[in-house]
Amino acid sequence: DIQLTQSPSSLSASVGDRVTITCRASQTIRTFLNWYQQKPGKAPSLLIHSASTLQSGVPSRFSGSGSGTDFTLTISSLEADDSATYYCQQTYQTLPCTFGQGTKLEI
Amino acid sequence: EVQLLESGGGLVQPGGSLRLSCAASGFTFSSYAMTWVRQAPGRGLEWVSDMSGSGDATYYADSVKGRFTISRDNSKNTLYLQMNSLRGEDTAVYYCAKGRGLAAADSLNWFDPWGQGTLVTVSS
Repeated sequence: DIQLTQSPSSLSASVGDRVTITCRASQTIRTFLNWYQQKPGKAPSLLIHSASTLQSGVPSRFSGSGSGTDFTLTISSLEADDSATYYCQQTYQTLPCTFGQGTKLEI
Repeated sequence: EVQLLESGGGLVQPGGSLRLSCAASGFTFSSYAMTWVRQAPGRGLEWVSDMSGSGDATYYADSVKGRFTISRDNSKNTLYLQMNSLRGEDTAVYYCAKGRGLAAADSLNWFDPWGQGTLVTVSS
């Protein structure tokens, strides 16, 4: 199985900060990498697919980049509503597709 | 608006069975693969099973293979997960989610949207 390692596991930031979360794959996954946001007690929601494509309706302060094994999710200017856990997911190897362990962002 | 609504969770004893349902609305259900993903309490996300839009292809995580069965009724716009021989480690919130297209286990894929989840607790 392809392992995804996110860093950091948790972080604390302030409104207006720029935040970057990293996801590293154990082997190349080209750009088959998605990002999800999960707020406490809620289901995950899709932020970015295919490494850098912003899902419709997602604020433009979110962006993704990377290819191969190293990927980043950036929030350009944090808002209070961004407090959540963020997960990366690879679908290059589909059986199984795998998720990172999550990054908990506190604001 | 695309909506997914899971039901069927609850408390079950080890070795028992449970059937989860996911009622879909707002899209052409038969045109999309569907997925089950679970999340143990305080833990991360784990893919469980995929089914193609037509229902002719199914896939399972090794952890549930032989115990869980995914199915769908496209006439009722409903996805199911039959869970047998349940274990304590199956305790989790189970989410259904819509795939990108018709094919399951597709590399170009993402899950959107997700249902609100249903909690399965396996305990004596």
